[in-house]
Amino acid sequence: NAGVTQTPKFRVLKTGQSMTLLCAQDMNHEYMYWYRQDPGMGLRLIHYSVGEGTTAKGEVPDGYNVSRLKKQNFLLGLESAAPSQTSVYFCASSPPPDRGHGYTFGSGTRLTVV
Amino acid sequence: AQSVAQPEDQVNVAEGNPLTVKCTYSVSGNPYLFWYVQYPNRGLQFLLKYITGDNLVKGSYGFEAEFNKSQTSFHLKKPSALVSDSALYFCAVRVNRNDYKLSFGAGTTVTVRA
Repeated sequence: NAGVTQTPKFRVLKTGQSMTLLCAQDMNHEYMYWYRQDPGMGLRLIHYSVGEGTTAKGEVPDGYNVSRLKKQNFLLGLESAAPSQTSVYFCASSPPPDRGHGYTFGSGTRLTVV
Repeated sequence: AQSVAQPEDQVNVAEGNPLTVKCTYSVSGNPYLFWYVQYPNRGLQFLLKYITGDNLVKGSYGFEAEFNKSQTSFHLKKPSALVSDSALYFCAVRVNRNDYKLSFGAGTTVTVRA
C-alpha cells in the first residue's frame, strides 16, 4: 500500500540551481497539494491541483512551479533555488471534499539550499 | 485571519497522565476538523476527524477529540499518555464543506517523559 510517494527524500542545492520534486499517488485521488513546513509556521500551501491538467496557486507560490500532466503525478519545480526555500516539502492527495476525507501525505522531501 | 490556532507550542506530560492538545478554530458554519500527528522525520498521519454527529470523536492510537461549537474548539485528548506519543501534532480545518483546502495550525510538540 504505497499511498503517496515523494522523491527524492533529501537534496542539497546551490543557490540558483533548479530541481523538480516528484509526487506520485496510487489512490486515484482527484486533488493533490504541495505544502512546505517550516518551524513555528506549520504547513503552508504552495500550489494545488483539482484534477489532471489543472493547477492553482496557494498561499506561498512565488519561486515555484507545478505540473499535473497525469492524474497520479504532481511535480513541484524550483527554477532558481534560494536559501529561503530551505524547508521540508510535503505532497498530499485527497478525494473530493464532499466525502469528508482529509489528506494522505507523503513522507516529505528535506531540501537545503546553500 | 488564521482559521485554526494551537495556543501551545509545547506540551509536556508524564507517562500515564492525561494528555490534552488544544485547538480552536475561527470559521463560520459547521467546519470539518482534523488532527494529524507527525513523528520525527516522517510525514503527517491522520488521527481523527469531526464531520458531523457525536461531539466526541475517537481515533487512532487511543486518541479522542471533543468538538465544542460554543467554544469553537476541537481539543485532542488521551486518557493515559505513552512515551511513544511524543510527536508533533497538527490541528486542521476545512474552512467550508465544499473547499478541498485544509488550513493547518502551527503545531504542538508533545513530549511524554518516562
